[in-house]
Amino acid sequence: GAVVSQHPSWVICKSGTSVKIECRSLDFQATTMFWYRQFPKQSLMLMATSNEGSKATYEQGVEKDKFLINHASLTLSTLTVTSAHPEDSSFYICSAKRQGLSGANVLTFGAGSRLTVL
Amino acid sequence: AQSVTQPDIHITVSEGASLELRCNYSYGATPYLFWYVQSPGQGLQLLLKYFSGDTLVQGIKGFEAEFKRSQSSFNLRKPSVHWSDAAEYFCAVQTGANNLFFGTGTRLTVIP
Repeated sequence: GAVVSQHPSWVICKSGTSVKIECRSLDFQATTMFWYRQFPKQSLMLMATSNEGSKATYEQGVEKDKFLINHASLTLSTLTVTSAHPEDSSFYICSAKRQGLSGANVLTFGAGSRLTVL
Repeated sequence: AQSVTQPDIHITVSEGASLELRCNYSYGATPYLFWYVQSPGQGLQLLLKYFSGDTLVQGIKGFEAEFKRSQSSFNLRKPSVHWSDAAEYFCAVQTGANNLFFGTGTRLTVIP
C-alpha cells in the first residue's frame, strides 16, 4: 500500500533556529502534498498545499515566510519552520495525494513530526 | 462553506460494547467522507471512506459507517469494541479542491 514517510518524528530546537521537516511518498508519486498543524487535543488545521514544481498555496493566517514549503520532486516536500519560537511548538503532519483504484483521489498521511521549541 | 461537526468530544465504552461515533457535515455538493483514527503521538490512519454507491461502507478493524444524505451524517460504528480501539477519531469531508476538512475529533476511552 501507499506509504508516506515523515522525518524527523521528533525534534527539539532552540528558539531562533530553523527546522526542516521532510515528507516523502515512498511508493508513489505525489504532485500534491498537504501540510497540517495539530495543537494538543485539537483537530488538524490545513496550513498549505504543496505543489510539485510550483509555489505552495497557503491557508489564510499562515505566514508563508515563517513556514517555507518546497516541493522539489514528485516524492518529496519539505516544511521549514524559520526562526522558530516556542509558540511554533506543535505536531506537524503531511499528507500526499494519489489516485485510488476507484479513480478518486486519496490522501495518505505521514506519522507526524513533533516540534518542541525551547 | 464546508464544515464537519463531531458532537461528542469524549466517549467512554466498556470493552465488548458497541460503539457509535457521530459525524455531521455541511457541504454544498456530493461529499467524499472519511473516518481516520489517530493513536497518541501518531499520524492518521484511514479507517474507511465513502465516495459513492452503497451508503454502508466497511472499513478496517471491524468498523463501518453509514452515509445518510437526508441527515447529513456519516456515523462510525463498531459492534464490539476492543481495548486497542482507544484513540482519537476524526471525521473528514473532502472538497472538490481535494482539501480535507476535519472535525474536532472524538476521543474514545475503552474500559476493561
